[in-house]
Amino acid sequence: QQQVRQSPQSLTVWEGETAILNCSYEDSTFNYFPWYQQFPGEGPALLISISSVSDKKEDGRFTIFFNKREKKLSLHITDSQPGDSATYFCAASGGGSNYKLTFGKGTLLTVTP
Amino acid sequence: GPKVLQIPSHQIIDMGQMVTLNCDPVSNHLYFYWYKQILGQQMEFLVNFYNGKVMEKSKLFKDQFSVERPDGSYFTLKIQPTALEDSAVYFCASSSTGSVFFGKGTRLTVV
Repeated sequence: QQQVRQSPQSLTVWEGETAILNCSYEDSTFNYFPWYQQFPGEGPALLISISSVSDKKEDGRFTIFFNKREKKLSLHITDSQPGDSATYFCAASGGGSNYKLTFGKGTLLTVTP
Repeated sequence: GPKVLQIPSHQIIDMGQMVTLNCDPVSNHLYFYWYKQILGQQMEFLVNFYNGKVMEKSKLFKDQFSVERPDGSYFTLKIQPTALEDSAVYFCASSSTGSVFFGKGTRLTVV
């Protein structure tokens, strides 16, 4: 059973558009949701995160919208740039002192100039 | 951001041999992790480690796997013996109070 699901699998947007990446989860004990950006041949880099007590988190061009009731969240990338082309992973954990992350399968974002 | 260093970046090894993957976590972090990623796909949790002990391990963490961090040196993942299905990229990660930071990975190829 896939605990964290991401959609779409791949997404292409034009430069300057807003890219919307979706994520949903099964486990209601998850309370911390980081998004990671991964370029080919690199490790995942922490991009932005949100806890379940918030419904929105913004950092520059990146915004997470969180709906606890529906167990859904989304990452919005405004004014997309070609340098944003990467795979984006949604992850979740139950917090506490463990911080074990459960990852989705990722969304491959391509930003076309 | 904080840097997690992994050595080596690539390793090719004969099936049945032993391999040790090394990780230098962020200096003040207390929690350490290993994840496995195949062909750029999903990251799969293997194990986490705190205060010299394994806290939790997944079913992917086979009996042939072991982890340790002797005397604050490298955090290591040892596979003995290796199998063909162990070929993957192994990522080390560390955290203190929430944010988990990953290294660049070690690409392991078992032939």
